[in-house]
Parts: sequence; structure tokens; C-alpha cells
Amino acid sequence: DVKVTQSSRYLVKRTGEKVFLECVQDMDHENMFWYRQDPGLGLRLIYFSYDVKMKEKGDIPEGYSVSREKKERFSLILESASTNQTSMYLCASSLPSFSEQFFGPGTRLTVL
Amino acid sequence: QQPVQSPQAVILREGEDAVINCSSSKALYSVHWYRQKHGEAPVFLMILLKGGEQKGHEKISASFNEKKQQSSLYLTASQLSYSGTYFCGTDNAGNNRKLIWGLGTSLAVNP
Repeated sequence: DVKVTQSSRYLVKRTGEKVFLECVQDMDHENMFWYRQDPGLGLRLIYFSYDVKMKEKGDIPEGYSVSREKKERFSLILESASTNQTSMYLCASSLPSFSEQFFGPGTRLTVL
Repeated sequence: QQPVQSPQAVILREGEDAVINCSSSKALYSVHWYRQKHGEAPVFLMILLKGGEQKGHEKISASFNEKKQQSSLYLTASQLSYSGTYFCGTDNAGNNRKLIWGLGTSLAVNP
């Protein structure tokens, strides 16, 4: 059974804290993605990675960074969390060709 | 440019049919359809590629009109399990990396 797992389902952090969200996939996929999902705004791509140590900015990279040191793991980093980063964060992975994205269960992050 | 999905919401009785549309202002290389149930992750339904190729579940059907830059998802003989929010993601660059997602269509199927 293929899987994308995320480190936490729920997370509460304080403004200014450094936040790490981790995503692990067991499908040997080259592509990995970080999205945030907000009501009325849909799914928005923050960053994606198409290979180890390779990354490209998505549509809303400001305030975020990513790290991909191993093929199976893709981390999203909020350098200094702010209240407007309160959201549902979804990780996904896929093969490089036109194929489905497998999503993790999501992390609901609240920044107070 | 975000694709536009229509309708925004639809309510069906079990057994009824529905069509969900996804329109883009840019040329499309592929359209991806996903369904998300409340509190769960989006789940893949179908990919439609420029040139006519389709990949997806047998029970789901969809069309892709390259000239009109739009795709339609056909849900026939709806079941209670079809309830959820349907998203289309469009690939305007042809690299399967940066999908732009629509805002979703909420579908409720009632007994």
C-alpha cells in the first residue's frame, strides 16, 4: 500500500517560531510537492522538488523554505511563523511523467 | 491563471447524473481531476492529456477539449460515496510539475 506520511496531523506554534513540517513517501517518487489549502483559495503550490537537492518555487514561496536531502523525504520550513501561515499543509509525491499525485493526510498548523 | 470550475456546488439524489466543468484561460497540456472528502486528502481520479490519452479510474469519465481549453467530468448514476469536493488541476507548461488548481466543486449525494 503506497503511502505519503506527514509528521503531524495538528500543530500549534507561536508567532516567530521556526517550524518544520516533514513528509515521507515510500514509492521512490522523484517529484514531491508542498501545498497549502485555505477555504476559498483552494490548493496553492508552495514549493516542489523534482530530485534530491533540487527545488523550484511554486506560487506562494514567500516565508517558506524547503529541504530535500534524501529522495523519500521533503521538509517544509517556516523560518519565522506568522499568523497568516495558519493553514492546512498538504504534501504530495508523483512520478516525473504525467501521473497521479499521492497526497499525505495533511498537517493543520495554527500559529498563535 | 487559476482554472474556473462550475458549478461551485451541486446536490444530487442517488442515481442522478452530474457534470463538472473546468475552464482555463491558457492552453492546456493536461487536466487532472481529484476528489477530496471532508477531513481527508485529495484522491486521484483521472488525468487527461493533450492528444487524447487518458489515465484514470474506469468508472469515471471525462472529456478534454483542447480548443476550448476546458475539461468536463461526468458522474453518472451517482452513489453516496461520490460526495466530496472535486478539484481540477491544469498543467499549462507541459511538465507535470506546476499544476494550477481550481477552487473546487462541492458535490453532495443524498439518499
